[in-house]
Amino acid sequence: DVKVTQSSRYLVKRTGEKVFLECVQDMDHENMFWYRQDPGLGLRLIYFSYDVKMKEKGDIPEGYSVSREKKERFSLILESASTNQTSMYLCATLEDSSYNEQFFGPGTRLTVL
Amino acid sequence: AQTVTQSQPEMSVQEAETVTLSCTYDTSESDYYLFWYKQPPSRQMILVIRQEAYKQQNATENRFSVNFQKAAKSFSLKISDSQLGDAAMYFCAYRSANTGNQFYFGTGTSLTVIP
Repeated sequence: DVKVTQSSRYLVKRTGEKVFLECVQDMDHENMFWYRQDPGLGLRLIYFSYDVKMKEKGDIPEGYSVSREKKERFSLILESASTNQTSMYLCATLEDSSYNEQFFGPGTRLTVL
Repeated sequence: AQTVTQSQPEMSVQEAETVTLSCTYDTSESDYYLFWYKQPPSRQMILVIRQEAYKQQNATENRFSVNFQKAAKSFSLKISDSQLGDAAMYFCAYRSANTGNQFYFGTGTSLTVIP
């Protein structure tokens, strides 16, 4: 089974702090994604990566950056956390085949005070 | 960007009954994939069913089936013989077959199963 893990299930940070959310996958998938999930808004893509050191902006990249130094790890960085970044963050990978299945991590619920 | 619309924020169904969740999407492309994902409370999102746009036959997976109407850009999910474990948030998603790997998700439908 594909496993996508995220470093924390719950995280509480203060406004202005630098926040790192880590995602690790064990299936050697090339594509990895970071989404933000908010009630009534569904999943919105922040960034995705199609290879090591390669990244593309999604629909809501403002206030975020990403890092992919190794294939299995994709990090989301909040340079200076703000209260409007309080949300559920989901990491996902994409199967490298025509089947197109995305595999999701358990999510990190981030609260910024 | 493509848009995916789920017009039912909440639905409920009696156990053992059938329920249909609606999804519409907007695209000018002819080749794409559609998905239904399930997110149980406090659990990971998992794929329920997928449909390739070039296939006319509706996909089925056990108690789950879709009604894919390409001309109407509609992709509804039917859950038959509903079980308590079907209670979850359901998301409809779209992905182009030709222009990159981005998925577009709807806003979700929260399904309650009544015992």
